[in-house]
Amino acid sequence: GNSVTQMEGPVTLSEEAFLTINCTYTATGYPSLFWYVQYPGEGLQLLLKATKADDKGSNKGFEATYRKETTSFHLEKGSVQVSDSAVYFCAAYNQGGKLIFGQGTELSVKP
Amino acid sequence: NAGVTQTPKFRILKIGQSMTLQCTQDMNHNYMYWYRQDPGMGLKLIYYSVGAGITDKGEVPNGYNVSRSTTEDFPLRLELAAPSQTSVYFCASRAGETQYFGPGTRLLVL
Repeated sequence: GNSVTQMEGPVTLSEEAFLTINCTYTATGYPSLFWYVQYPGEGLQLLLKATKADDKGSNKGFEATYRKETTSFHLEKGSVQVSDSAVYFCAAYNQGGKLIFGQGTELSVKP
Repeated sequence: NAGVTQTPKFRILKIGQSMTLQCTQDMNHNYMYWYRQDPGMGLKLIYYSVGAGITDKGEVPNGYNVSRSTTEDFPLRLELAAPSQTSVYFCASRAGETQYFGPGTRLLVL
């Protein structure tokens, strides 16, 4: 079945640093891919998504490109802020229509 | 528009006790889900529902039960709490491919 693997955290960066969080997937077909973010003490919320190969999702300065060749959907941001400190989850739907999550990557941004 | 709401926010249970975690959404979504989140493990699907009167098991259903009598409500029942059920529980509803999550219920079983 489909699976999603993320780079392990925690990731600690200084403000204005460049962020990459790696995500790779295994899937039958080409499912839509998602990044969800969980701020401290809150539920998950959709950050961005891409529905087909070569699509780029973007939101709040974050971007991720659906790479079919490398089965990847890495999350990037050019200049992180303290307010970006959160846990980031990569996700994809499996063939049964269930959302499969990676294990999450905790990001901590220091001033 | 409140979105997805969950109660309680936090609860301590003794082993063998039972409780119901409440979940309500006001977006008229047919699909609803219950997940548990354990540290470093991502989210695991417990149960889901595709509409009122229809529920089905997810990846980790043992020890839990659900019902869906209305579109709005999707309660999760723990009958005999065990320490392994210590976790954070999230309810979600879905529109299209986007899931909308509640704020979670933190449960501690001692």
